[in-house]
Amino acid sequence: EIVLTQSPGTLSLSPGERATLSCRPSQSISRSFLVWYQQKPGQAPRLLIYGASSRATGIPDRFSGSGSGTDFTLTISRLEPEDFAVYYCQQYDTSPITFGQGTRLEIK
Amino acid sequence: QVQLQESGPGLVKPSQTLSLTCTVSGGSISSRDHYWSWIRQLPGKGLEYIGYIYFSGRTLYNPSLRSRVIISLDTPKSQFSLKLSSVSAADTAVYYCAREGSYGRGADFWGQGTLVTVSS
Repeated sequence: EIVLTQSPGTLSLSPGERATLSCRPSQSISRSFLVWYQQKPGQAPRLLIYGASSRATGIPDRFSGSGSGTDFTLTISRLEPEDFAVYYCQQYDTSPITFGQGTRLEIK
Repeated sequence: QVQLQESGPGLVKPSQTLSLTCTVSGGSISSRDHYWSWIRQLPGKGLEYIGYIYFSGRTLYNPSLRSRVIISLDTPKSQFSLKLSSVSAADTAVYYCAREGSYGRGADFWGQGTLVTVSS
C-alpha cells in the first residue's frame, strides 16, 4: 500500500500569505495519478487539482500543483479567507487507492 | 449540473449489513467517461476509499474491505449502491458517493454524505 504523508499537519498563516503544502508518497507514483482536495467542516471534499498540476473546473488560479515521483506540492499563492480548510492528497497509481492524512490550514 | 444523493439507514446493528444507495441526477450513470465510487470518513479522521463501479459493471474494491463489500449499479434507476457486511463500530463513518472522471482524475461531484452509526 502506498502511504501518502502530508506535511505539515497544521499550517497557520494569514490571509494574503502564500501556503505550501507537501504530499510525499512512500514510493514513486506517476504524476498523472495524484489529486488534491479541499474539505471544509460539514462538507464533502472539493476537487482542486488532478494529474498533479491540472486545475479542476472552476478552481481559481491561485491554486497550483507541482511535483513528481515522491514529492508533490500544493501551493496557494495568496490566501483568501475561504481557503482555510483541510487539504488532502490522493493517489490512484497503485491499488489500494489511498489518501493522505490531511493538512489543516488555519488562520493565524 | 450533476447531483448525487446518498440514502439509507443511519443506524445499523453490529454484525448486520450496511446498505446505502446513491441517486444520480443531471448526468448519465451509463457514461463511459466516469466511475462511480464510495468513500468514507471516520469520525474526526481522514478519508478512506471503499471502491468504484464502472458502467460495464467492473468494480475495484479496497483490499482491506474486499471480503465485505459489494458495489452494484442500477442503470434504469440511475442509482448505484453499497453493501458492507458484518459491520462493527469501526465502520461508523460518514459515507460519501462520488463521480470520478477518467481513471485517476479525481472525484469532481460528491453527495453531501450520510452518517452511518454502528451500534446496538
